[in-house]
Amino acid sequence: GAGVSQSPSNKVTEKGKDVELRCDPISGHTALYWYRQSLGQGLEFLIYFQGNSAPDKSGLPSDRFSAERTGGSVSTLTIQRTQQEDSAVYLCASSLRDGGHYGYTFGSGTRLTVV
Amino acid sequence: RKEVEQDPGPFNVPEGATVAFNCTYSNSASQSFFWYRQDCRKEPKLLMSVYSSGNEDGRFTAQLNRASQYISLLIRDSKLSDSATYLCVVNLYTGNQFYFGTGTSLTVIP
Repeated sequence: GAGVSQSPSNKVTEKGKDVELRCDPISGHTALYWYRQSLGQGLEFLIYFQGNSAPDKSGLPSDRFSAERTGGSVSTLTIQRTQQEDSAVYLCASSLRDGGHYGYTFGSGTRLTVV
Repeated sequence: RKEVEQDPGPFNVPEGATVAFNCTYSNSASQSFFWYRQDCRKEPKLLMSVYSSGNEDGRFTAQLNRASQYISLLIRDSKLSDSATYLCVVNLYTGNQFYFGTGTSLTVIP
């Protein structure tokens, strides 16, 4: 597609439920990042995929969070046993290579609300 | 200490004014620098990269000062449409992670 596509755009879930967030990067982009942004806060790095390399999971806040990227394209971020503090906008971005010289393109995000 | 620090503002300026934002970074090994723009309830969008020699794109000028570890963004002849939050972004390049500032809020007033 022309841009980074994320779904759903909005998700309201009950505390304790699991959620899956999807990201479809720009075709040909080998680097994919997940960030989250809480109200009035900066972007918090979660995880990074680059081609077939092992992902950099150093930003995942707890073992309730996991992500995978199948076939080097679509990525799914899973949050198990959601908590209210997980409420945020989850942003996916993709880039040619590692984005070091190119910056990257964000999707429009998934707004997650845990009630 | 945060990797990237910005003055959150808000900056409220009249149309036509010139406004400048600064951003400091803590890691002297940082390699790549960017300014992103984020409109309310939207995703960040790349505004411009920042090159060592400084670079200009229309009304926008970005500069890098490695010795003092800061980057700047200058907006000339401000337009109402420039109202947004401006995010400073730094990348070590040798690593995977981009570090985002918390953003500087700009409102251009008619």
